Formats: sequence, structure tokens, C-alpha cells
Amino acid sequence: ETGVTQTPRHLVMGMTNKKSLKCEQHLGHNAMYWYKQSAKKPLELMFVYSLEERVENNSVPSRFSPECPNSSHLFLHLHTLQPEDSALYLCASSSSRLAGGFAGELFFGEGSRLTVL
Amino acid sequence: AQSVTQPDIHITVSEGASLELRCNYSYGATPYLFWYVQSPGQGLQLLLKYFSGDTLVQGIKGFEAEFKRSQSSFNLRKPSVHWSDAAEYFCAVNTGTASKLTFGTGTRLQVTL
Repeated sequence: ETGVTQTPRHLVMGMTNKKSLKCEQHLGHNAMYWYKQSAKKPLELMFVYSLEERVENNSVPSRFSPECPNSSHLFLHLHTLQPEDSALYLCASSSSRLAGGFAGELFFGEGSRLTVL
Repeated sequence: AQSVTQPDIHITVSEGASLELRCNYSYGATPYLFWYVQSPGQGLQLLLKYFSGDTLVQGIKGFEAEFKRSQSSFNLRKPSVHWSDAAEYFCAVNTGTASKLTFGTGTRLQVTL
């Protein structure tokens, strides 16, 4: 496989469920990102993992919990979500600025469409 | 903080017609500027980027963009649109201080045959 792969592509969950989104990149990058895409809103950066440092958006609720076990894998753990969390969650990767490689090009996966009932 | 404005939510053009998508940014200095495209059911793909130098940049799929400092704009253009260009287009900025982009709300392009 090549590029950025996200699973599952679609997820329906109740507000009391716990689920996880998975992202895997095969591009040799060392920075990974979670973005939230909602209708009629700009893409919202949720989390950045760069050279194993974590950068958070302080406005992201604690019901979203990221995990980055290595530079190729990124998870987004979901628990007690709300209906307004329904959105497309996009994972991306890039070379890290700290490694002198960031050139603004993010490589995106196809996204995980989340519906919270 | 930097911000990006895409004033057109939805644009419809005929196949073969020219296209211009608008993007304005707000930042004290010259940011790094990008255009991404998102086809239905897909993630975003980089079309082109501007860091410095020549203010007219060429990208993939026949797209180009022009940076105009006086207008704080970075408009995307294509001389002749193809039906396969129908997608959503996002302008983005980076101030160079972190590995993250700030995106606009996007412009959805519809192409009529």
C-alpha cells in the first residue's frame, strides 16, 4: 500500500460507545495530523504529532483522544461523543518542519465519515 | 493569527470556460500559500504552492495562481475547465512557524457540459 490509509471509512456510533479511528502512512513522513471537516466550516486542525511531539488544539473536547505509537500510525480514540461531532475526520502526514522538511504539502487520507446518533 | 477567506461558496462554469477562484488572507507578513482540491469522497490533494519569488505559480492539472501582495490575494485560475475539475477547492496559509495549515471554507466548483 502507498499513501495515507484511514479505517474505517464509515462509522456510526451511539453517544455511549467507544471507538477508534486509525490512520497509517507509508510515505516515510514524521508528522501526522487529525483534521475535522464539517459542512460549511473550515478544516479544523485537531492534533499534530511531529517528531513524536504532540501539539493540541485546546478547543478540542477531551472526548477525542489521539495516540501516535510511531511515525507511521495515528489513532483517534472516541468516547461519549455528541451528535455535533458527526463529521469527516481526515488524517494527513508530512515531513516535519523540525526536521527541515515541511514544505506545506500535506498528504491526506480519504477520511473517516463519522455519524453520532 | 492568520486567516483565509474564500468569498465564493459555490461557482458554476461551463466546460471549456475559464475559471478564477478567489482567496484572500490576513497576515502581517507574506505567508506561505497553498491551493488544495478535494474530489467527492476523497481527501485533499495539493494543487500548487507559493513560498517566494515569481508571483505566478504553476500547479498540477493545468492550474495556476497569482500572488498579489497589495491585495492580500492568491487567486486560482485555469484557462479552460474540464468536467473532471468539478470538486471543492481550498486555499490555505502557513506562517512558517509550525507544521500546520489554516484553511479557508472552500469553494465548490460545478462544471456544466
